[in-house]
Amino acid sequence: EEQLVESGGGLVQPGGSLRLSCAGSEFTFTNYWMSWVRQAPGKGLEWVANIKEDGREKNYVDSVKGRFTISRDNAKKSLFLHMNNVTGEDTAVYYCARGGTRGDYWGQGTLVTVSS
Amino acid sequence: EIVMTQFPATLSVSPGERATLSCRASQSVSSNLAWYQQKPGQGPRLLIKGASTRATGVPARFSGSESGTDFTLTISSLQSEDFAVYYCQQYNNWPPSFGQGTKVEIK
Repeated sequence: EEQLVESGGGLVQPGGSLRLSCAGSEFTFTNYWMSWVRQAPGKGLEWVANIKEDGREKNYVDSVKGRFTISRDNAKKSLFLHMNNVTGEDTAVYYCARGGTRGDYWGQGTLVTVSS
Repeated sequence: EIVMTQFPATLSVSPGERATLSCRASQSVSSNLAWYQQKPGQGPRLLIKGASTRATGVPARFSGSESGTDFTLTISSLQSEDFAVYYCQQYNNWPPSFGQGTKVEIK
């Protein structure tokens, strides 16, 4: 069964940086666009970014453009989200999803808390 | 950005009863509409894609339909494991956008 496992979340100060990781297994990672989607505590879902199979095309929601970078390492079947200059509005559970604009499979999420 | 509006916010249903959840898009999304189920502490699970196609392994009691910019998820006979929050999502335009969710609770 397809599996996605996120890691790297934690407490980060405003203005700080964090790198999230997602490991994929039981499917051919290189065949799929991949995405990050977040959910603020008690709130709905927000699509953050996606990346093409070969990593050459990336898209971001306006609220993170210039601060977040999505990347992937196909040899390691891994997806990353580099978060810079974070603010309280970035506090959320971050999910890794298979697919570029529709999440066919999702991980359990990793919590990022931005606080001083 | 396309705004997705779900209603009702909360639906109280008895086990075995039918549940009907609604979702409206602020503009055309064609049939690029998905429904997800989310339980506490878990990531979303894809139920329906293309407005009416069940995802792999999804029971037949879940069905989706569309009429213009209005979409419906129907659960024909609620089972105990179906009590959860349901989200609709359009993937026709960037960025993909979700409704605020409908919580299906036990009556």
